[in-house]
Amino acid sequence: SAVISQKPSRDICQRGTSLTIQCQVDSQVTMMFWYRQQPGQSLTLIATANQGSEATYESGFVIDKFPISRPNLTFSTLTVSNMSPEDSSIYLCSAYTFGELFFGEGSRLTVL
Amino acid sequence: KQEVTQIPAALSVPEGENLVLNCSFTDSAIYNLQWFRQDPGKGLTSLLLIQSSQREQTSGRLNASLDKSSGRSTLYIAASQPGDSATYLCAVLSQRDAGGTSYGKLTFGQGTILTVHP
Repeated sequence: SAVISQKPSRDICQRGTSLTIQCQVDSQVTMMFWYRQQPGQSLTLIATANQGSEATYESGFVIDKFPISRPNLTFSTLTVSNMSPEDSSIYLCSAYTFGELFFGEGSRLTVL
Repeated sequence: KQEVTQIPAALSVPEGENLVLNCSFTDSAIYNLQWFRQDPGKGLTSLLLIQSSQREQTSGRLNASLDKSSGRSTLYIAASQPGDSATYLCAVLSQRDAGGTSYGKLTFGQGTILTVHP
């Protein structure tokens, strides 16, 4: 299995600011992904973090709002830009390895 | 578009009961199906992964079955314990999304909130 570490684990932010979430995997993986879980909802894929190229975003998510970096095969960041209360969610990093998808502990973001 | 539904939405049982959680999906062309556990405010822990060619998988007190043709999966938990209390999520990877860098594009159900009373 893969161990995925995220930080921060939680944060409270002011409207209009930006926050960057870091994700570290304990082994090299080709595929990393970012998911969002809004309060009381299930998970929705934001984007695929591609190493060495621009992330691939799902419908409804754009690079200006959720810029993603993937500098190597073990690390990725997700930035939530110009935050509003509607961005309050748990953001989860995941990696596909050993034939299945593994998740980090998530970053709980509250926007006031 | 793949849709995943989980029934029941919530379940409360006394300790020791055997229980079944249900998951259904609309598009039977799946690559695999995963069951996850999520504790409040936490990330997801993978419980069982069933490939489309498999009928069931077992891990300890957990058994997951898959009937691809009918679009259904069940998670059976034997002799439930208070420590099993969590949200259980079913997620499907569709065949059309299984390739290239798309192996992470899972479609999740809404989850079943399980409470096991001592």
